[in-house]
Amino acid sequence: SQTIHQWPATLVQPVGSPLSLECTVEGTSNPNLYWYRQAAGRGLQLLFYSVGIGQISSEVPQNLSASRPQDRQFILSSKKLLLSDSGFYLCAWSPGGGAGELFFGEGSRLTVL
Amino acid sequence: DQQVKQNSPSLSVQEGRISILNCDYTNSMFDYFLWYKKYPAEGPTFLISISSIKDKNEDGRFTVFLNKSAKHLSLHIVPSQPGDSAVYFCAASVRAGKSTFGDGTTLTVKP
Repeated sequence: SQTIHQWPATLVQPVGSPLSLECTVEGTSNPNLYWYRQAAGRGLQLLFYSVGIGQISSEVPQNLSASRPQDRQFILSSKKLLLSDSGFYLCAWSPGGGAGELFFGEGSRLTVL
Repeated sequence: DQQVKQNSPSLSVQEGRISILNCDYTNSMFDYFLWYKKYPAEGPTFLISISSIKDKNEDGRFTVFLNKSAKHLSLHIVPSQPGDSAVYFCAASVRAGKSTFGDGTTLTVKP
């Protein structure tokens, strides 16, 4: 069966520090991969999605970047965090070809102080 | 411009009664709609979906209704159980591609 894991689960970082959140998917090949952010009391905002290795599409201009170095690995990064980067970050996958449903990881709570 | 809207931030119902969660969308290109359930500090889990070629889809206690002319969909939970208490997100996509999410509705089912 397919599984998705992301880490770390919680992170407290000072303003201006770097960020790296990692996500891996097991049990499937060529998945579509996504990074979403949920701000407090809000819905899920799509940040990045990827349909293959090295193929990254950014949905909103921001202080973050994403990379997909391997088929089932998706990394969210920042060189210098801002206070506004605080939130709940979710990695998700869907079958390649667009089956519609997303399968989410456990989430990573980032607090920037 | 928010393309998917859930206008009720919260809903409270009694155990055993029906819960109705509503969702409106503005993009007429959306043709695939999904509902997710989310508990605190966890990722959302897929609940049920519907394609625009249908107006109803059932899965056990959960039924989703789609009214394309009104650009409106709803999720019915019958009967509601305390374990259904969670945040419910409506999402929409074009040709089952990237999903656009609403802000969610917090459902509380009272015993």
